[in-house]
Amino acid sequence: GAGVSQSPSNKVTEKGKDVELRCDPISGHTALYWYRQSLGQGLEFLIYFQGNSAPDKSGLPSDRFSAERTGGSVSTLTIQRTQQEDSAVYLCASSSGETQYFGPGTRLLVL
Amino acid sequence: KQEVTQIPAALSVPEGENLVLNCSFTDSAIYNLQWFRQDPGKGLTSLLLIQSSQREQTSGRLNASLDKSSGRSTLYIAASQPGDSATYLCAVSTQGSARQLTFGSGTQLTVLP
Repeated sequence: GAGVSQSPSNKVTEKGKDVELRCDPISGHTALYWYRQSLGQGLEFLIYFQGNSAPDKSGLPSDRFSAERTGGSVSTLTIQRTQQEDSAVYLCASSSGETQYFGPGTRLLVL
Repeated sequence: KQEVTQIPAALSVPEGENLVLNCSFTDSAIYNLQWFRQDPGKGLTSLLLIQSSQREQTSGRLNASLDKSSGRSTLYIAASQPGDSATYLCAVSTQGSARQLTFGSGTQLTVLP
């Protein structure tokens, strides 16, 4: 079946612009996670959605970062007023149990 | 705060060798531990998941062990192949953390033909 998909695969933006990253989880998966993978920081948790519960935003690095999950399926991660340090690969994962299944990521470059 | 460490950071072996990758974590109150593989420019592929109550899991040439009390896990790869070349990441899901994963920095494996 279809895995987790993310779009765009690559995004280049100018400092100060807003960007939206999209994640389509595996159908039927109630849990959705966003992670960020950057040089020197490794892979770090950003935000977690579980069903209709309030999301766990404890990993978001600043208030410029926000995420939504509409209808319990597709999720959008928004970064406002991007900074060069936001350059990273943003990975989405979904799960219906213990194992998390990851998408291919969006590679973001802020110039 | 959970911290995960992987040793070595990089490893190069000739084809056919058996090898062990190491992972350690500081907080033993975990739900589970997962080993992932990441190929350059790609996402993560889950290899093995060990529940906190388990000691090991096997899949093909891969065997992962877990010693929760000492905060250690190993990934054993038998009869390595060039196609095994990738970065291997260890991640733990810690109790009280809403199942988010804390990752190690990975071991970059190169299997030489």
